[in-house]
Amino acid sequence: GQNIDQPTEMTATEGAIVQINCTYQTSGFNGLFWYQQHAGEAPTFLSYNVLDGLEEKGRFSSFLSRSKGYSYLLLKELQMKDSASYLCAVLDSNYQLIWGAGTKLIIKP
Amino acid sequence: GAVVSQHPSWVICKSGTSVKIECRSLDFQATTMFWYRQFPKQSLMLMATSNEGSKATYEQGVEKDKFLINHASLTLSTLTVTSAHPEDSSFYICSARVPGEFYEQYFGPGTRLTVT
Repeated sequence: GQNIDQPTEMTATEGAIVQINCTYQTSGFNGLFWYQQHAGEAPTFLSYNVLDGLEEKGRFSSFLSRSKGYSYLLLKELQMKDSASYLCAVLDSNYQLIWGAGTKLIIKP
Repeated sequence: GAVVSQHPSWVICKSGTSVKIECRSLDFQATTMFWYRQFPKQSLMLMATSNEGSKATYEQGVEKDKFLINHASLTLSTLTVTSAHPEDSSFYICSARVPGEFYEQYFGPGTRLTVT
């Protein structure tokens, strides 16, 4: 079956760095997405990785290792507004998004 | 960028009634749209894939006679929840794919449905 695992909840301090991990087992792989979702809102796109390595975009970076079925989202200089759920999703061989359950990130002052 | 809208943003209905949710791609033509449902503190669950001019493809466990999907034009897909029950209360989100882009979906803002 298809499976995506990420921690349920993480807590970090404002100004700090946090890494949210995601492991996956899917039928085929056409890329991995990270989305941010605030409570009661739709997901917003953060990053897309299809090749191994690190993609940096401002305070957010995303890493992918296809051989390990592993990705992480790195958030630097955390701000209170970063409190949200972070969803990992894999595009499978049918170009269908397979979603993880999401990681709720709590930022404390 | 590609913009997707949903209407209404929230709706309250009585048990047994039907509710229609619209999903529109505002600045592009979407041959494929997706309907998701999200229960509190859970991730998105794909309900169905809607293709313009053809029948929707429903995911396993989703009742096609209860959740009617119509993708009548390249910019509009509708989801009708028929004979709604309190357990259908959820956050319904649509997304659309830009033709030729197989990797990204653009999400609507979601519709909060409460069935009393």
